[in-house]
Amino acid sequence: SYELTQPLSVSVALGQTATITCGGNDIHYKNVHWYQQKPGQAPVLVIYRDIYRPSGIPERFSGSNSGNTASLTISRAQVGDEADYYCQVWDRVIWVFGGGTKLTVL
Amino acid sequence: QVQLVQPGAEVRKPGASVRISCKTSGFDLNKYPIHWVRQAPGHSLEWMGWLNGGNGNTKSLEKFQARLTLTMDTSASTVYMELGGLTSEDTAVYYCAKEETDGDYAAYWGQGSLLTVSS
Repeated sequence: SYELTQPLSVSVALGQTATITCGGNDIHYKNVHWYQQKPGQAPVLVIYRDIYRPSGIPERFSGSNSGNTASLTISRAQVGDEADYYCQVWDRVIWVFGGGTKLTVL
Repeated sequence: QVQLVQPGAEVRKPGASVRISCKTSGFDLNKYPIHWVRQAPGHSLEWMGWLNGGNGNTKSLEKFQARLTLTMDTSASTVYMELGGLTSEDTAVYYCAKEETDGDYAAYWGQGSLLTVSS
């Protein structure tokens, strides 16, 4: 089965740029989606189909996908961006999630 | 607006079954797949299965196939997830989520239902 690999944690200084990666075999052939999840809350879609932002998501959030790695980039990081972030793809007939990355804003 | 409403919490004993509802509104349930995703405490999101709102067909992860049943009541705009043979490892928050038309992702999620399996 298809596997997605994310770093357990990423730290970023307030106002700086954070990049969270999602590794998978030839992932560039797949559409990658990203969710933000804060404690006790349901996931929130922040990027879909690699690069698109849903309405209401700040432009500071962007995505890319190339080779074996997809990335979520958060510019001008804010305290409110602290959360777990999950990548997700569709593989054949199932959804696959990455293990999640905890973003800490210092 | 689109909403998916789930019960807050359920408690079951090991070996029992649970049925969790997901009441939808703001869209035509017959036109969208509904997915179920769970999250054990301190763990990642785990996809369980999906139900095709148009024809009622379902697909689930192999590990759940023997004990997972997904159904829908169109007249009530509600989807149900029933999981049998519960063990403590099924303790988790269970989410329903609406798949979007243009891709295999979910922009709308239920608030989650906490299932606790304990003797």
